[in-house]
Amino acid sequence: DTAVSQTPKYLVTQMGNDKSIKCEQNLGHDTMYWYKQDSKKFLKIMFSYNNKELIINETVPNRFSPKSPDKAHLNLHINSLELGDSAVYFCASNMAAGELFFGEGSRLTVL
Amino acid sequence: AQKITQTQPGMFVQEKEAVTLDCTYDTSDPSYGLFWYKQPSSGEMIFLIYQGSYDQQNATEGRYSLNFQKARKSANLVISASQLGDSAMYFCAMREGYTGGFKTIFGAGTRLFVKA
Repeated sequence: DTAVSQTPKYLVTQMGNDKSIKCEQNLGHDTMYWYKQDSKKFLKIMFSYNNKELIINETVPNRFSPKSPDKAHLNLHINSLELGDSAVYFCASNMAAGELFFGEGSRLTVL
Repeated sequence: AQKITQTQPGMFVQEKEAVTLDCTYDTSDPSYGLFWYKQPSSGEMIFLIYQGSYDQQNATEGRYSLNFQKARKSANLVISASQLGDSAMYFCAMREGYTGGFKTIFGAGTRLFVKA
């Protein structure tokens, strides 16, 4: 069983469209995250939820809206996609101060 | 301000030799954690090693060791006996306290090439 799973793994879409990425973890962790990895491989934290409560919301356009229906799931919805949104989006989870467990990443390409 | 600095964009090492990947950090939080992750070309993020700010001993995990110099705010990764499979991006990361939880931020990464 995959510990942190993301779907879809690949998205190709046109500018202006809306897309969602789903993430699920079966590790029993309390905290889940979204990171964005750009073309230069830089990893930037976007959001964090602890037990369904938003605790980190970095300077991210409000076109990005995370949702956590329960502590095992964290979804990311992106409205009005722009070229600059093209990146790999990683979901991750951890327990308290422990290491992050990452999903395989979702590669988003905006044309 | 840059809080995690990895000054080596790329490094080459001969197979079977040791290599050190540099990482410096900046924080005013007395309690923090330092991590190294590996990202092979396949893209997944793999946790390698952890060092807590209060740990007296340097962390070791198999061929990986973390050279923790607290006064210098450095946390270099040492890979001994390099293997071809060690070719990958390596990220240094720091966890700090944050309102309601913790936040882990990453350096820009170092791409390691292991030569046969």
